[in-house]
Amino acid sequence: DGGITQSPKYLFRKEGQNVTLSCEQNLNHDAMYWYRQDPGQGLRLIYYSQIVNDFQKGDIAEGYSVSREKKESFPLTVTSAQKNPTAFYLCASSRQGLDYGYTFGSGTRLTVV
Amino acid sequence: DQQVKQNSPSLSVQEGRISILNCDYTNSMFDYFLWYKKYPAEGPTFLISISSIKDKNEDGRFTVFLNKSAKHLSLHIVPSQPGDSAVYFCAASAGNQGGKLIFGQGTELSVKP
Repeated sequence: DGGITQSPKYLFRKEGQNVTLSCEQNLNHDAMYWYRQDPGQGLRLIYYSQIVNDFQKGDIAEGYSVSREKKESFPLTVTSAQKNPTAFYLCASSRQGLDYGYTFGSGTRLTVV
Repeated sequence: DQQVKQNSPSLSVQEGRISILNCDYTNSMFDYFLWYKKYPAEGPTFLISISSIKDKNEDGRFTVFLNKSAKHLSLHIVPSQPGDSAVYFCAASAGNQGGKLIFGQGTELSVKP
């Protein structure tokens, strides 16, 4: 069964620590995306990648980093430079064209303690 | 600058009646629009989409209308069911932006029995 998997579902981090969120897809999709959801602000784009070894900043990339070494994987690192990292993070993937939109993972809730 | 706006944070509807969710956009380059449904602590799921060359698209109980001159789209759900209770996001894409979706803030729909 094809899908997109995010892990872990819940993550706690101490202030000043970097943390990496995992995102894996077996849909053979070329493009992958990271969004952040905060109450009342919808989904905001952090980074996206259309092909392996290439990625672009989204609207709120500061304090985050990504890599795309494999088509299936697009991990997101939340660095200590991110001022307000507590949020719900969503990974998505898509085929070329948007006829079927994005497929989203189930999300990771990151809490800084 | 919020390019996609959902001005109603919440909507309450009686079961069996019509639900109308609205979305406005500012970027005239947007040429593809999508609606997503989201339950708490889950990823959004794709609902329905419309290309800018159309003004209406139907899928079962769900119809999306696009008014390009007003830069406005709406999602109609008829008849509404309690299982439709969720947060609905509209999203837009411009063909020259490589499939990047810009999301609205979301509208929480509550369908009461």
